[in-house]
Amino acid sequence: NAGVTQTPKFQVLKTGQSMTLQCAQDMNHEYMSWYRQDPGMGLRLIHYSVGAGITDQGEVPNGYNVSRSTTEDFPLRLLSAAPSQTSVYFCASSLTSGSHEQFFGPGTRLTVL
Amino acid sequence: QQPVQSPQAVILREGEDAVINCSSSKALYSVHWYRQKHGEAPVFLMILLKGGEQKGHDKISASFNEKKQQSSLYLTASQLSYSGTYFCGTEVRNTDKLIFGTGTRLQVFP
Repeated sequence: NAGVTQTPKFQVLKTGQSMTLQCAQDMNHEYMSWYRQDPGMGLRLIHYSVGAGITDQGEVPNGYNVSRSTTEDFPLRLLSAAPSQTSVYFCASSLTSGSHEQFFGPGTRLTVL
Repeated sequence: QQPVQSPQAVILREGEDAVINCSSSKALYSVHWYRQKHGEAPVFLMILLKGGEQKGHDKISASFNEKKQQSSLYLTASQLSYSGTYFCGTEVRNTDKLIFGTGTRLQVFP
């Protein structure tokens, strides 16, 4: 099993550009989530999904969209990137809900100029 | 809504003990603990699900006081490999959200 994979590993964007961060898991996990990590702020929940077709907002959802058309994939879209979105983004998955061990992907380091 | 972790940073010598605390203002269903090394993803340590539950993992253990909405992580006889940032994650009752604290940076020196 590859576990949780994220692409790209690094990305530089200009203000106003759009892009999609990819996240995939091959463990047949129902629960997937996106976090951003900034110095001194810990991990902040952006969006999460409890299964295919179901998504919900986390603590800091503004500026981000998600969809969950399959169990395996949970892409995160930035519609119009802003410098405030410069961060490290982690995708995580678990068997069901937040009550199970979260498996984290390796992260995507995003810089918005 | 983020749980509060204390202390923010700990410096230890090998063999010393440490306690990291996690406190939430919300009623909790579970508490998670993770460790993150610099430049890497967080790695799971343990989950506590029941009030008063305690768990152990080698020389790392944790407790969860459901009534006080608090959890503590105990590191005994610390090793160099314990260095990293420790995060507690709290699952608030009646939600599916796992919310993390701001982290506690632990450094162990020889």
